[in-house]
Amino acid sequence: GAVVSQHPSWVICKSGTSVKIECRSLDFQATTMFWYRQFPKQSLMLMATSNEGSKATYEQGVEKDKFLINHASLTLSTLTVTSAHPEDSSFYICSAAPPRGAVSPLHFGNGTRLTVT
Amino acid sequence: AQSVAQPEDQVNVAEGNPLTVKCTYSVSGNPYLFWYVQYPNRGLQFLLKYITGDNLVKGSYGFEAEFNKSQTSFHLKKPSALVSDSALYFCAVKQAGSASKIIFGSGTRLSIRP
Repeated sequence: GAVVSQHPSWVICKSGTSVKIECRSLDFQATTMFWYRQFPKQSLMLMATSNEGSKATYEQGVEKDKFLINHASLTLSTLTVTSAHPEDSSFYICSAAPPRGAVSPLHFGNGTRLTVT
Repeated sequence: AQSVAQPEDQVNVAEGNPLTVKCTYSVSGNPYLFWYVQYPNRGLQFLLKYITGDNLVKGSYGFEAEFNKSQTSFHLKKPSALVSDSALYFCAVKQAGSASKIIFGSGTRLSIRP
């Protein structure tokens, strides 16, 4: 079945540094990918919709200059957390919409646990 | 606006007993409905979906869900629970035929005791 690969699975960084998370669709072309943030014992919060070849669409309250999204190809989207702070520590999950996206389920990466010290 | 509610934060069931995880939704027009499962420190895995047709949908790992239009519900069920079913379950809804986003419920933690 469709597979989405997310890397790294976990990362620890110092406050003030930037961290890049990659999301790849391995066996289909994804014109649209989604980035979520999940707090402990909570649901997924959609951060932004990543569109191949164009700017990402950010949800209300999400700082686009802090969470940089690049979707340079049909199989790769990246999320860069810039100038990370401890409050950015969270579980970040990406998903990709296969062709026939409206009726197809989303396929999720395994998530990235970010810890900012 | 579309929304989805999972009224139970946690459901506890003994192994071998049937289980139900509840989900209700609100959407303009016809809904696309999904169930996902999440294991610790992992992404979400697709279990099943309702798009159209038979109201009873069968999915992975023996799970099924019944679409009830009059009650706007899409409860997840399994006849006989396994300890390995213990995980976090999310219901999700999307408005059919539109470019609207998929909306996730708050999640229900299912705990199966031996």
